[in-house]
Amino acid sequence: DVKVTQSSRYLVKRTGEKVFLECVQDMDHENMFWYRQDPGLGLRLIYFSYDVKMKEKGDIPEGYSVSREKKERFSLILESASTNQTSMYLCASSIPGQGEKLFFGSGTQLSVL
Amino acid sequence: KNEVEQSPQNLTAQEGEFITINCSYSVGISALHWLQQHPGGGIVSLFMLSSGKKKHGRLIATINIQEKHSSLHITASHPRDSAVYICAVNSGNTPLVFGKGTRLSVIA
Repeated sequence: DVKVTQSSRYLVKRTGEKVFLECVQDMDHENMFWYRQDPGLGLRLIYFSYDVKMKEKGDIPEGYSVSREKKERFSLILESASTNQTSMYLCASSIPGQGEKLFFGSGTQLSVL
Repeated sequence: KNEVEQSPQNLTAQEGEFITINCSYSVGISALHWLQQHPGGGIVSLFMLSSGKKKHGRLIATINIQEKHSSLHITASHPRDSAVYICAVNSGNTPLVFGKGTRLSVIA
């Protein structure tokens, strides 16, 4: 069965901390994505990657960076966490091609205090 | 960039009712997705379609490419259908663009 695993379900961090959110998929998918989801705003794309060591900015990349050293792992990094980064973070993966189906992780609810 | 609008934002229905959620988009697409998110849960893909109609159990998704519009129907709704339903579209090689979602509550 297809699986996208996010390392933490809930995370509480302090302002200014460096935060790592990890995502691993076991489907050999080329494409991986990081989204944040906020009430009333829906899903917003932070960064995505179409291959190892490749990354592209999404709609809201400010304050974030990513790392894709291995095909199965895509990490989201908050260099210096701020309270406005409190959110639900969702990782997804897909196979490239027209209309590719997305597979989502179960999400990490991050609270920055 | 494609603009995706969903309606209604919130919907409350009685168990057994027929439900329709609408999605419209602004630019031609290669595929449209309907996704479901239960409270506290991850997101699962319900349908991916580029034309016509698809059916899975009590769920039916339709798309009208000319009108840039899709509908998700739920027949004989049940409280377990309570979730957020999200429409998303592909245009060429760009990442999916999402609607803001429709929150459905089905009351027994």
